[in-house]
Amino acid sequence: AQTVTQSQPEMSVQEAETVTLSCTYDTSENNYYLFWYKQPPSRQMILVIRQEAYKQQNATENRFSVNFQKAAKSFSLKISDSQLGDTAMYFCAFMNQYGGATNKLIFGTGTLLAVQP
Amino acid sequence: DSGVTQTPKHLITATGQRVTLRCSPRSGDLSVYWYQQSLDQGLQFLIQYYNGEERAKGNILERFSAQQFPDLHSELNLSSLELGDSALYFCASSAPGSYEQYFGPGTRLTVT
Repeated sequence: AQTVTQSQPEMSVQEAETVTLSCTYDTSENNYYLFWYKQPPSRQMILVIRQEAYKQQNATENRFSVNFQKAAKSFSLKISDSQLGDTAMYFCAFMNQYGGATNKLIFGTGTLLAVQP
Repeated sequence: DSGVTQTPKHLITATGQRVTLRCSPRSGDLSVYWYQQSLDQGLQFLIQYYNGEERAKGNILERFSAQQFPDLHSELNLSSLELGDSALYFCASSAPGSYEQYFGPGTRLTVT
């Protein structure tokens, strides 16, 4: 069974600084997707960034980028120029890819990020 | 706003009761997923429907059931409720051929 591990329960960063959130996963599959979701105090789950395992290039979405290391099964999230609105719980998630059909998300336990003014 | 709607936003009920949570996916999305978020279990996948048919099942209790209707909205039925069923229940949807899931705002269920 696949598992996702986020070893940092809480992190803090100063506004405008850069922070990296860690995520490792375990799978024997070769084709899969990885995601970072953000859950602010409103509790809404917001998709931040996604990575296809077959792509070597790391995904980037504005201030958010990932460092995907497939051999090490590592998928970290870097937030540049942190803003107060980035304060949230961040979840790393894994999805197997079966024959083109979408599948369930397997979530880590989350990292609570606090951006300090 | 993800385009996924869930009702009600909050639900307070007593042990032993039955409730129904409703979800409307984004326009054009055929897949609906239900997830439970609780303090002790974290975020867990419950069940997936695709165009009216059950596609995948996760850690869903026998007291829980779901269905997806012809208009593609979905309902999650929780019966014989226990204190431990108190949680935030999310619905997510995805488009055909897409691997991205978009979440609704959730329904917070409190069982007293």
